[in-house]
Amino acid sequence: DGGITQSPKYLFRKEGQNVTLSCEQNLNHDAMYWYRQDPGQGLRLIYYSQIVNDFQKGDIAEGYSVSREKKESFPLTVTSAQKNPTAFYLCASRPGQGNNEQFFGPGTRLTVL
Amino acid sequence: AQSVTQPDIHITVSEGASLELRCNYSYGATPYLFWYVQSPGQGLQLLLKYFSGDTLVQGIKGFEAEFKRSQSSFNLRKPSVHWSDAAEYFCAVGTNSGYALNFGKGTSLLVTP
Repeated sequence: DGGITQSPKYLFRKEGQNVTLSCEQNLNHDAMYWYRQDPGQGLRLIYYSQIVNDFQKGDIAEGYSVSREKKESFPLTVTSAQKNPTAFYLCASRPGQGNNEQFFGPGTRLTVL
Repeated sequence: AQSVTQPDIHITVSEGASLELRCNYSYGATPYLFWYVQSPGQGLQLLLKYFSGDTLVQGIKGFEAEFKRSQSSFNLRKPSVHWSDAAEYFCAVGTNSGYALNFGKGTSLLVTP
C-alpha cells in the first residue's frame, strides 16, 4: 500500500535531549513537509523540502532541523533549543508542481518531561 | 501572503441535521482551496479540493463545498450529519506559485444524538 508512515506514534523524552522523528513515503512524491499542531493553533509549518538535498524553513523552524538525503525520507530532529517541544507532529508529502494537494501521515505525539 | 480564517472554533449539531462550516480566505488571485478532516490523534484526510471550474465541489463522505469569489469563502456543507462525522475540520489555501499550504485553526464538530 502506498502512503506515509511516521514513527513512533508516541515519543517521550527528557528535557534537554534531542529527538528525531521519522517520516517515510512510498508515493514517489517530490515535496515533503513537517507541521506542528497544538490545540487551537491549527497546523504550523516547520520545514519543507521540494527536492532531495534541499529544504527551506517554514514559519516556526527555530529549534528544529531536517535532512533530505533520500526522496522517500524526511526526518525531523527536535533539538534542545526548542523551548516548548511537546506537541503533535505531522508529516506530509505532495506530488510536485501543479498539484497542491498534500497527503498526511498519522502523526507522532512528542511529550517532553 | 494568503491566509485562512475559520470563524467557528466549536460547532455542535444533532445527528441528522444539516451542517455548514465556514472558511474565509485572503489571497489576491484564485486560490487552491482544501478541506481536511482529522479524527483525534490521527493525521489529516482530504475531503475535497477546488482548483478551478465548477464552484460547487463534491467530496468524500457526502460533503460538498462552494467557492464564492465575491465573499472570499469556501464553506463546507453536509445535508445530514452522522455521529461518525464528529472530528476536527481544517480549511487550507494554497497558490499555483507556492508549495506550502496555509491552514485555518480548525473547527471542532460535536454531533449529539
